[in-house]
Amino acid sequence: GAVVSQHPSRVICKSGTSVKIECRSLDFQATTMFWYRQFPKQSLMLMATSNEGSKATYEQGVEKDKFLINHASLTLSTLTVTSAHPEDSSFYICSAGQLHYPYNEQFFGPGTRLTVL
Amino acid sequence: AQKITQTQPGMFVQEKEAVTLDCTYDTSDPSYGLFWYKQPSSGEMIFLIYQGSYDQQNATEGRYSLNFQKARKSANLVISASQLGDSAMYFCAMRENTGGFKTIFGAGTRLFVKA
Repeated sequence: GAVVSQHPSRVICKSGTSVKIECRSLDFQATTMFWYRQFPKQSLMLMATSNEGSKATYEQGVEKDKFLINHASLTLSTLTVTSAHPEDSSFYICSAGQLHYPYNEQFFGPGTRLTVL
Repeated sequence: AQKITQTQPGMFVQEKEAVTLDCTYDTSDPSYGLFWYKQPSSGEMIFLIYQGSYDQQNATEGRYSLNFQKARKSANLVISASQLGDSAMYFCAMRENTGGFKTIFGAGTRLFVKA
């Protein structure tokens, strides 16, 4: 399957700082990328859907001003956690979508573990 | 609204035996896809198997098979001949094929394979 990378894989930051997480599709062009958040021992919760060149669509309850998503190219989407607080500590996973018969395939990145002190 | 339910928080299975992980779903979209993913402790999401809503036959991928009962809206994962390496978290997921391909996940089932 296709490869999706995330950088960094792990980040520790101080409360109040901003953190940027990159998601790249390495060998295909992804028209749509998704950002998920996963708390310990819980499921993946969809945060937002981003389409290249347009504004992201956020899920209910997700603060768009806190979680800034940019999808500037078909191979790169970024998630910026602004003014991070300890409650933002989580595992963030991106996935990239590619139209592929018979189903729209979705490939996941390895995840980024964010710890806010 | 779409919904995925996994009612088994944890399951134990003896090595080399088969195990069934339950998943039920709810959607009003006639066209949808059902997925199972494995998440080991490393955190990566590993795709296991896919079933389309219009597929007539149950999907199979090696030791994985999906028991698709459309009328009951269930999509249980069957793992045959369990191996120690199968110990992980397993998520059932659904994607509606209209309005983009947003995927939602169930709560997950942690599988423990005993030697």
